[in-house]
Amino acid sequence: DQQVKQNSPSLSVQEGRISILNCDYTNSMFDYFLWYKKYPAEGPTFLISISSIKDKNEDGRFTVFLNKSAKHLSLHIVPSQPGDSAVYFCAPITGGTSYGKLTFGQGTILTVHP
Amino acid sequence: NAGVMQNPRHLVRRRGQEARLRCSPMKGHSHVYWYRQLPEEGLKFMVYLQKENIIDESGMPKERFSAEFPKEGPSILRIQQVVRGDSAAYFCASTAGGPGRYEQYFGPGTRLTVT
Repeated sequence: DQQVKQNSPSLSVQEGRISILNCDYTNSMFDYFLWYKKYPAEGPTFLISISSIKDKNEDGRFTVFLNKSAKHLSLHIVPSQPGDSAVYFCAPITGGTSYGKLTFGQGTILTVHP
Repeated sequence: NAGVMQNPRHLVRRRGQEARLRCSPMKGHSHVYWYRQLPEEGLKFMVYLQKENIIDESGMPKERFSAEFPKEGPSILRIQQVVRGDSAAYFCASTAGGPGRYEQYFGPGTRLTVT
């Protein structure tokens, strides 16, 4: 039972353009959403998060949008840079307790071409 | 990733041997999570520990796997009698804990290969 789906296994973008990574979820108990970036042979690195009470959160070149009714979120990277090439994971949690275990999607491989 | 230490980075074991994976959380963090990433898959939650306590082990296989986070020293993930299917990357993450503090900071992982 896959609660988190990142339906695009890969995405290729030209440097300077926008990258849009999508994530769909089924568990309505998820109320906090995180995005992580991962390079090969390294651990995931936290990028940006959003609470379910918001529909947008922005941090520099990264913006996350949340559509609760559609159970969909997306990560926008503008402008994209070659150093952004990595695997991106959507990872929601159920935040009702004082901790949250992450439920990861399968990841999307982003390649930004110079 | 800075601050969370995992060792060894690579571990090779023969079937039937024991594997011990260590995780030292970031300074000031007392909450540790372990995740496993099988080839071609996303990371999957295994266990959540605070100092001397297992809080949530709902993702741990019922047999052969155990975890601890003693008062002193690193958190240990122990796999007894390893099988080929245990080959994976094992990541630990730490947080300072507390309500609303959900961002987890990951170590570089231990890549376990069972031959």
